[in-house]
Amino acid sequence: DADVTQTPRNRITKTGKRIMLECSQTKGHDRMYWYRQDPGLGLRLIYYSFDVKDINKGEISDGYSVSRQAQAKFSLSLESAIPNQTALYFCATSDSEVYTGELFFGEGSRLTVL
Amino acid sequence: QKEVEQNSGPLSVPEGAIASLNCTYSDRGSQSFFWYRQYSGKSPELIMSIYSNGDKEDGRFTAQLNKASQYVSLLIRDSQPSDSATYLCAVNGENYGQNFVFGPGTRLSVLP
Repeated sequence: DADVTQTPRNRITKTGKRIMLECSQTKGHDRMYWYRQDPGLGLRLIYYSFDVKDINKGEISDGYSVSRQAQAKFSLSLESAIPNQTALYFCATSDSEVYTGELFFGEGSRLTVL
Repeated sequence: QKEVEQNSGPLSVPEGAIASLNCTYSDRGSQSFFWYRQYSGKSPELIMSIYSNGDKEDGRFTAQLNKASQYVSLLIRDSQPSDSATYLCAVNGENYGQNFVFGPGTRLSVLP
């Protein structure tokens, strides 16, 4: 089983619908992240959490919200999906040794908003 | 100016050649530097990290860091078709809130 698991892997939805992407990890890491990837733009940070009580906005948080339910779970919600939120979304984790640690990614959730 | 820049490519090299990938960053306070490889439709995976000036070698991969010039590069020796992927440069530092900032990636194609 993957250390970082994302569900769903693929989702097609309509404009205005509420969508939740879920992430769970078995690595025991405190730090969790949600990234969005669009062609030619690399990975852009949406939200991040350094522990259960810590939630921070990233570069592109507008239109998104998150919930850190436990150390191992970090969910991303789109309250009212719009077509320009069509993208590939990655959850990632890292340990607290941030300057030497690496990011471990989930397999990605491909979201299409019609 | 983007914080982390890379040539988008595609960079095409023949099998067996050296592929050279470059990355520049804007924040002089950046402290750690990473190269991730991403195959089409897959998640990124770390291939190299470097923290001090100079070269770091791992098998066919060499990362080079020059903080004075604010660039980091990745050399792939004896390139193989299986190296064909997008290579993402990432930077971390206190000024980024201890987060990883990624470049747009360079697509590498190794031709048999």
